[in-house]
Amino acid sequence: NAGVTQTPKFRILKIGQSMTLQCTQDMNHNYMYWYRQDPGMGLKLIYYSVGAGITDKGEVPNGYNVSRSTTEDFPLRLELAAPSQTSVYFCASSYNQGGTEAFFGQGTRLTVV
Amino acid sequence: GENVEQHPSTLSVQEGDSAVIKCTYSDSASNYFPWYKQELGKRPQLIIDIRSNVGEKKDQRIAVTLNKTAKHFSLHITETQPEDSAVYFCAASDNSGNTPLVFGKGTRLSVIA
Repeated sequence: NAGVTQTPKFRILKIGQSMTLQCTQDMNHNYMYWYRQDPGMGLKLIYYSVGAGITDKGEVPNGYNVSRSTTEDFPLRLELAAPSQTSVYFCASSYNQGGTEAFFGQGTRLTVV
Repeated sequence: GENVEQHPSTLSVQEGDSAVIKCTYSDSASNYFPWYKQELGKRPQLIIDIRSNVGEKKDQRIAVTLNKTAKHFSLHITETQPEDSAVYFCAASDNSGNTPLVFGKGTRLSVIA
């Protein structure tokens, strides 16, 4: 049982480039989330999804897009990367939106130069 | 929406002493309060949680208390050990499925041997 898997683990982007952070879970969880964690800071919610075909904005959605075509996958797209997007990105999933444990992926460390 | 405040942001204790981290929340509808531990370079992982129908919960050296009237909850770690050194996050949500977990900004705990 792999849990939540993110790829890549590390990435360096140039300003203006685009990329997709991949996230997949094998726990059949309906709820999935993307957080960013800036150095020494807490977790800020970027986007979340309550099921396939349904996504919603979190606290800091600007500069990102998501899609949820299947229960398993929840990719995060960065368009026109900016230095302010340098961060560690965590994908997470849970059985329910509230009241149950959220399982996190191992994170993607992104640097925009 | 929900707002979670966490204090202190950093905490240093001598090995064997106790550590207490406090959180307050704003939404009276919140009824699920988990605590996550994040070791350096790792993903956040759930260590204990409490629901609003319970005032206290213990698991070996860690305990969480909840005061719904005052809207605050606390993490207590007794007999601290060097491996307790990490960043701890509190969070809050309701189990209606309407809102994702909202995290506090984290507390960096250092246990000095």
